[in-house]
Amino acid sequence: AQSVTQLGSHVSVSEGALVLLRCNYSSSVPPYLFWYVQYPNQGLQLLLKYTSAATLVKGINGFEAEFKKSETSFHLTKPSAHMSDAAEYFCAVRRMDSSYKLIFGSGTRLLVRP
Amino acid sequence: GAGVSQSPSNKVTEKGKDVELRCDPISGHTALYWYRQSLGQGLEFLIYFQGNSAPDKSGLPSDRFSAERTGGSVSTLTIQRTQQEDSAVYLCASSLQEAYGYTFGSGTRLTVV
Repeated sequence: AQSVTQLGSHVSVSEGALVLLRCNYSSSVPPYLFWYVQYPNQGLQLLLKYTSAATLVKGINGFEAEFKKSETSFHLTKPSAHMSDAAEYFCAVRRMDSSYKLIFGSGTRLLVRP
Repeated sequence: GAGVSQSPSNKVTEKGKDVELRCDPISGHTALYWYRQSLGQGLEFLIYFQGNSAPDKSGLPSDRFSAERTGGSVSTLTIQRTQQEDSAVYLCASSLQEAYGYTFGSGTRLTVV
């Protein structure tokens, strides 16, 4: 069965600093992985997805994530944080059956200090 | 429509009352999902519709919860005899069968008082 674990329910960075949000997955088959962002009082927006093509995936708003099979990780990074990046971020893995269900991690809230 | 539309955006109801939450998916999307997001929690899968197939109800927390999808489009999630623990944001998402991710609506924030 697939699952994801997000390390750290809260991450705080200074504006301009590197953002690193951690996600580890469990899957017996090559997974499809996703990062979503949720701004206050809004739904979830897809940031990027890994679907077994390039291991380094670039998404919107300057975010990127690298799939590392040896570490079963799919960490989200951004070189320089902006105040507007403050939000909750969810990592997800897709069920490898016909349901296309996504299994979500518990989320990481990113705080950006001025 | 251009996106997934959910209504109402906010709902306050008294304990014991029934509520209906509506989701209008993206036109042409065959798959529709309902998730629940409780305060400080991740996303909890509730139910999944795919075309004309029988829905996957494995995530519904109790028999007070039900959902239907009419004509393969609009879906309604019904919660009967609401309890305070039902307070949460209910998110709907849709996708193409062949797609790799969902498009989410903005959610309905349900508060049971």
